[in-house]
Amino acid sequence: DIQMTQSPASLSASLGETVTIECRASEDIYSNLAWYQQKPGNSPQLLIYDANSLADGVPSRFSGSGSGTQYSLKINSLQSEDVASYFCQQYNNYPPNTFGAGTKLELK
Amino acid sequence: EVKLVESGGGLVQPGRSLKLSCAASGFSFNDYWMGWVRQAPGKGLEWIGEINQDSSTINYTPSLKDKFTISRDNAQNTLYLQMSKLGSEDTAIYYCARVGLGGHYFDYWGQGVMVTVSS
Repeated sequence: DIQMTQSPASLSASLGETVTIECRASEDIYSNLAWYQQKPGNSPQLLIYDANSLADGVPSRFSGSGSGTQYSLKINSLQSEDVASYFCQQYNNYPPNTFGAGTKLELK
Repeated sequence: EVKLVESGGGLVQPGRSLKLSCAASGFSFNDYWMGWVRQAPGKGLEWIGEINQDSSTINYTPSLKDKFTISRDNAQNTLYLQMSKLGSEDTAIYYCARVGLGGHYFDYWGQGVMVTVSS
């Protein structure tokens, strides 16, 4: 199975700040990577697919990048509604389509 | 509007079975792979498995392959998860999700259903 190492596990940032979350795969996943946002008490929502494609309705302050084994999610100009947990998921080599352990983003 | 609504959760005794359903609407159900993901309380997401459009291909995470069975009824626009030999480690919120057309990510998720395994 491909292992996804996500960092940091938690993050505290101020409104308007730029935040970066990273995921490292145990082998090359050829940009077959998605990012999800899960707000407290809600189900996950797709943010990014294919490493850098923005899902429908997602604000442009979210962006994804990376290749090979290293990927990142960037949130520009952090808003209060961005407080959530974020998960990466690889879907290059499955089953299983493994998720990262998650990053909990809070406001400072 | 894409809508996925899970049902069938609740409290179940260890060793028993339970079947979850996911009613889909707002899209052409038989054009999409569908999947299940679970989340133990306070924990991360665990991919359970996926089923293709005509049920000819079903993939499972290896550790759950002998306990869980995914199926679908395209006439009823419904996805199922049959769970057997349940243990406390299966206590979680179970989400059904639609697989994206371009790759095996999940583009829409249900609200989830809670399953608690306890005597």
